[in-house]
Amino acid sequence: NAGVTQTPKFQVLKTGQSMTLQCAQDMNHNSMYWYRQDPGMGLRLIYYSASEGTTDKGEVPNGYNVSRLNKREFSLRLESAAPSQTSVYFCASNLYRGTGQPQHFGDGTRLSIL
Amino acid sequence: SQQGEEDPQALSIQEGENATMNCSYKTSINNLQWYRQNSGRGLVHLILIRSNEREKHSGRLRVTLDTSKKSSSLLITASRAADTASYFCATDSNNNDMRFGAGTRLTVKP
Repeated sequence: NAGVTQTPKFQVLKTGQSMTLQCAQDMNHNSMYWYRQDPGMGLRLIYYSASEGTTDKGEVPNGYNVSRLNKREFSLRLESAAPSQTSVYFCASNLYRGTGQPQHFGDGTRLSIL
Repeated sequence: SQQGEEDPQALSIQEGENATMNCSYKTSINNLQWYRQNSGRGLVHLILIRSNEREKHSGRLRVTLDTSKKSSSLLITASRAADTASYFCATDSNNNDMRFGAGTRLTVKP
């Protein structure tokens, strides 16, 4: 029972490089989320997908794009990485957004931009 | 912007003692959830309390909610070294976005 799986776990990039963070869930959840976690800031929502085929901006979407590839997979792309995007990125999912259902989290991707 | 603000930022206690963490928020909510995060891991859901509830229990956890004061507290009784983690409150409001606080870092010394 894997839950939410994120790859890679660690990544170092140079400024200007691009990369895609992958996330997959095996709980048949409809809604998926990408957060970033910075020291002293808690988690901030980058993008979410309320259901397969839809994506919407969260609180801090600038510099990111997302793709809901299918019901299981939700990827986050950095087109031109900047040092300000150094952070820990978490993917989460739940049955339905906005219904109070608990969110299930992956173990994060630790991303450093040099 | 954060909705929940946890207090204290850090808490250190001895095994067997009780740990109390507080969360204050700014706008009306539908429910409030508490999560735990062990070092290097993702968040794990602990307990949810709805806006029409005042208190909820789950094992050694007790959560209270005071909507008039826009605050919640999480009490962990008879703490264990394994309870060492960061604890986050998260609020669910009418705009449907869950907002997380910055967390309380709890250290339980054996």
